[in-house]
Amino acid sequence: EAEVAQSPRYKITEKSQAVAFWCDPISGHATLYWYRQILGQGPELLVQFQDESVVDDSQLPKDRFSAERLKGVDSTLKIQPAELGDSAMYLCASSSRGRGGQRNEQFFGPGTRLTVL
Amino acid sequence: DQQVKQNSPSLSVQEGRISILNCDYTNSMFDYFLWYKKYPAEGPTFLISISSIKDKNEDGRFTVFLNKSAKHLSLHIVPSQPGDSAVYFCAASAPTSYDKVIFGPGTSLSVIP
Repeated sequence: EAEVAQSPRYKITEKSQAVAFWCDPISGHATLYWYRQILGQGPELLVQFQDESVVDDSQLPKDRFSAERLKGVDSTLKIQPAELGDSAMYLCASSSRGRGGQRNEQFFGPGTRLTVL
Repeated sequence: DQQVKQNSPSLSVQEGRISILNCDYTNSMFDYFLWYKKYPAEGPTFLISISSIKDKNEDGRFTVFLNKSAKHLSLHIVPSQPGDSAVYFCAASAPTSYDKVIFGPGTSLSVIP
């Protein structure tokens, strides 16, 4: 069964360091999402890609966060510099929903648990 | 301002009984609703969805009810099983170009054997 892959699963870093997370969506899924989930809250969308283009990054803290999906397949989310408040679960998801098509559910990866010390 | 609310952080139910998880939303533009289940250390998994043109959708032990006038939906699990113990997220989206999904804060369900 196809799955969304994420790495690493766990990351511990010190504040002011740079961290990067990688996501490989389900093959053929045009839409890719990065979410941040803080314990006790629901996932919050950071950035959404349609193929290689960013279609929503309104909640991405652009002074320190960046995301790319250069070839419209896998994606990288980077934080530089990391702050204590960035400690959270970072989830990647993908879906086959395109522009104006039938809506499909999102498939999530296992997430990366980030701890900033 | 939270657009999707799940006012019960936790719920405990006896095995075999019905579990009812509630969700309220404020954005009248939402027209597609989903429920996700999440186990610890795993990503959320899709459970069931409903379009605003329906008021009920059923899939095995899971049924979602939608009351558009009250901006309320609920997930019924019958009968509840210990393996259903997880955090359940309600989510909603509006018919924008790229279907941004808004998640609620989640309800932690414990099914007691």
